Amino acid sequence: DTGVSQDPRHKITKRGQNVTFRCDPISEHNRLYWYRQTLGQGPEFLTYFQNEAQLEKSRLLSDRFSAERPKGSFSTLEIQRTEQGDSAMYLCASSLAMWRTGLNTEAFFGQGTRLTVV
Amino acid sequence: AQSVAQPEDQVNVAEGNPLTVKCTYSVSGNPYLFWYVQYPNRGLQFLLKYITGDNLVKGSYGFEAEFNKSQTSFHLKKPSALVSDSALYFCAVGRRGNMLTFGGGTRLMVKP
Repeated sequence: DTGVSQDPRHKITKRGQNVTFRCDPISEHNRLYWYRQTLGQGPEFLTYFQNEAQLEKSRLLSDRFSAERPKGSFSTLEIQRTEQGDSAMYLCASSLAMWRTGLNTEAFFGQGTRLTVV
Repeated sequence: AQSVAQPEDQVNVAEGNPLTVKCTYSVSGNPYLFWYVQYPNRGLQFLLKYITGDNLVKGSYGFEAEFNKSQTSFHLKKPSALVSDSALYFCAVGRRGNMLTFGGGTRLMVKP
């Protein structure tokens, strides 16, 4: 396994268009996270999944944003009607949590998708 | 609410000298604390974490961090800096696992 992969690496879109990003986590990881990082800032949490269930969403995740993880494996993040303020790096991360054993690994991050809205 | 502060935008150190990158946090309850490093065109890489136990945590690439509950700090340290350590370093606090709140980052510049 080569780690968390994200596609595409770069996306340029016109304001008002819809975009969709994909994240493939580390295969045995049951948790998947989306973060957004703007230039000069630390990443900001957007949402996370435990298997296919979306368990938490940040207030940063407006109605134009939707994330899915339909089979508990890969995830997609869609932004509708993009705005220039959506320009950022979108980071995906995954981890493994097992309540019975108390195991909760750290999050492993992908290289991100850089979105530019023009 | 939880928050992290990294008071220095940049830290400059000469190769071979010790380095410290500062981090303070605010969280209710017991903190889960992390350090990540970001190199250009690469994703965030995990360095170390504090969940419980010994206040001195050892991590990757010779880095370590000291958890200080009274000062609510989790400073990153390395005894001898390398030029290759030059990168952007992020401190983060987590709750219920890896829903992390990151600091703004500190750029470490190690000069030969």
